Amino acid sequence: EAQVTQNPRYLITVTGKKLTVTCSQNMNHEYMSWYRQDPGLGLRQIYYSMNVEVTDKGDVPEGYKVSRKEKRNFPLILESPSPNQTSLYFCASSLSSGSPLHFGNGTRLTVT
Amino acid sequence: GIQVEQSPPDLILQEGANSTLRCNFSDSVNNLQWFHQNPWGQLINLFYIPSGTKQNGRLSATTVATERYSLLYISSSQTTDSGVYFCAVNPYSSASKIIFGSGTRLSIRP
Repeated sequence: EAQVTQNPRYLITVTGKKLTVTCSQNMNHEYMSWYRQDPGLGLRQIYYSMNVEVTDKGDVPEGYKVSRKEKRNFPLILESPSPNQTSLYFCASSLSSGSPLHFGNGTRLTVT
Repeated sequence: GIQVEQSPPDLILQEGANSTLRCNFSDSVNNLQWFHQNPWGQLINLFYIPSGTKQNGRLSATTVATERYSLLYISSSQTTDSGVYFCAVNPYSSASKIIFGSGTRLSIRP
């Protein structure tokens, strides 16, 4: 089954403790991206990747890192999480930046 | 950067009613997509519609790129249509980025 898989679904952590949210897709998509969803703001793009080893900032990249060492994986790294990063996070992939997006099921992160 | 505005922000309807959701964007785009976020938080791609009209069952969408808007029509609403509807654009000036509107929350009452 074609899908985008995010893990974990729920995560509660404390300020400053490094964490990684994983994202994997099995559709051989070149484009992958991360978003955060906050009430009243819709989804905002954090980072995107056009292909392996090619990543770039979206609209809200501060406090986040990403890597794209393999085509199928695009992890989101929070090296020193803060409470303002409490949010619902989504990973998505598509054939290219101009193609239909496929979303993972989301990761709800709480930073205390 | 480009602004994407959706209206109305909230909509409450009785089952069986029809609705029109609007997405305005402030600059030229390469493409536009509509998504439905169900009450469990899943985001489902409804339409990929850079221009013209598409239909899928009770749902249809129209994008008029030259006038910078798109409309999503839902006919004969069902309770399962409840959730938040988002439009997202791929700006012509930043072809690798994707910008979402803030959404329309639709509640269908039985």
